[in-house]
Amino acid sequence: DIQMTQSPSSLSASVGDRVTVTCRASQGINDFLAWFQHRPGRAPKSLIYASTYLESGVPSRFSGSGSGTDFTLTISNLQPEDFATYYCQQYNVYPYTFGQGTKLEIK
Amino acid sequence: QVQLVESGGGVVQSGRSLRLSCVASGFTFSKYGIHWVRQAPGKGLECVAVIWSDGSYKYYAESVTGRFTISRDNSKNTLYLQMNNLRAADTAIYYCARGEGRWLRLDLWGQGTLVTVSS
Repeated sequence: DIQMTQSPSSLSASVGDRVTVTCRASQGINDFLAWFQHRPGRAPKSLIYASTYLESGVPSRFSGSGSGTDFTLTISNLQPEDFATYYCQQYNVYPYTFGQGTKLEIK
Repeated sequence: QVQLVESGGGVVQSGRSLRLSCVASGFTFSKYGIHWVRQAPGKGLECVAVIWSDGSYKYYAESVTGRFTISRDNSKNTLYLQMNNLRAADTAIYYCARGEGRWLRLDLWGQGTLVTVSS
């Protein structure tokens, strides 16, 4: 299985800040990399697919970058509703695998 | 409204069976592959099973192979997960998620249903 290593595991930030989460795949995944937001008690939400493409309706303060094995999620101008847990996932090879998550908390 | 709604979770004894359902609405269910994904307490997300749009292909995680069966009824817009010989390690929130495109990327998730396996 492809291992997805996400960092940091937790992050404290303030409204208006810019934060970055990184994700590394144990082998190349042809940019089939997605980012999800998960708030407690709610359905996970797809934010970004194919490393850089924003899902319809997702605010432009979210952006993704990277290729090969190293990927990044950046959130600019943090809003109160952005405090959640974020996961990366590769969908290149079954079984599709996730990073362990990054919990973004209010400072 | 485009959504997926899971049901069927509950408390079950180890070794017993349970069937989960996922009802789709607001989109053409028969055109999409669908995944089951679970999250154990305090753990990350794990893809458990996936089924193609016409049911012709299924894939299972090693942890559930031989015990879980994914199926669908496109006439009822419903996905199923039959879980047999349940173990404590199967305790988790189970989500269904729509698979978009050729690679079935997960683009729409339900809110999940909790399965608790007691020993």
